[in-house]
Amino acid sequence: KAGVTQTPRYLIKTRGQQVTLSCSPISGHRSVSWYQQTPGQGLQFLFEYFSETQRNKGNFPGRFSGRQFSNSRSEMNVSTLELGDSALYLCASSLTLLAGGGNEQFFGPGTRLTVL
Amino acid sequence: AQTVTQSQPEMSVQEAETVTLSCTYDTSESNYYLFWYKQPPSRQMILVIRQEAYKQQNATENRFSVNFQKAAKSFSLKISDSQLGDTAMYFCAFMIRNNNAGNMLTFGGGTRLMVKP
Repeated sequence: KAGVTQTPRYLIKTRGQQVTLSCSPISGHRSVSWYQQTPGQGLQFLFEYFSETQRNKGNFPGRFSGRQFSNSRSEMNVSTLELGDSALYLCASSLTLLAGGGNEQFFGPGTRLTVL
Repeated sequence: AQTVTQSQPEMSVQEAETVTLSCTYDTSESNYYLFWYKQPPSRQMILVIRQEAYKQQNATENRFSVNFQKAAKSFSLKISDSQLGDTAMYFCAFMIRNNNAGNMLTFGGGTRLMVKP
């Protein structure tokens, strides 16, 4: 079974531009979560989508948005890029939430975004 | 809100020896899960071990085991017989146990472990 895939793997943008990152979860996984990883702030939760609905959202400005399609693939978008948005963006998928949660998250390789 | 703290930014251990990584957390929740994830250099993050807070028995996975102290809000990871492939960043993470809580993980800052030959 194929793992979580993310495209593109590397991206360079300039301030003020917008960017869209894509994540394809493991087949059968309906939950997709996004995390931002930076040296200064560590790993921070952005949002989670389940069955095309945003279920949780982290403490990020409205410039960060996402969506999930009917095939569970997810995209996240960052508008009006700032230098501080440079980070590794990780996507994670997991099986349908069972009673009580605690589902293992399977992570993709990440998209390295550099904002100049 | 939950917080997770890893007080050891870097550690090293000789191959075949045992090392313990520390993690403390703060939460007002009574039901939750704790995880250790491993992120090898330039490779994907993978789950090492999971602990359900309502279970008193410490979780073990082969050479990996945890010491879960719920009252102290402590969750340390012990790696026995360290191998070169254990070199990685290790993240402690917390997840609320709740049907509506989804799969949101709160991570600690990580511990960089170097296994030396």
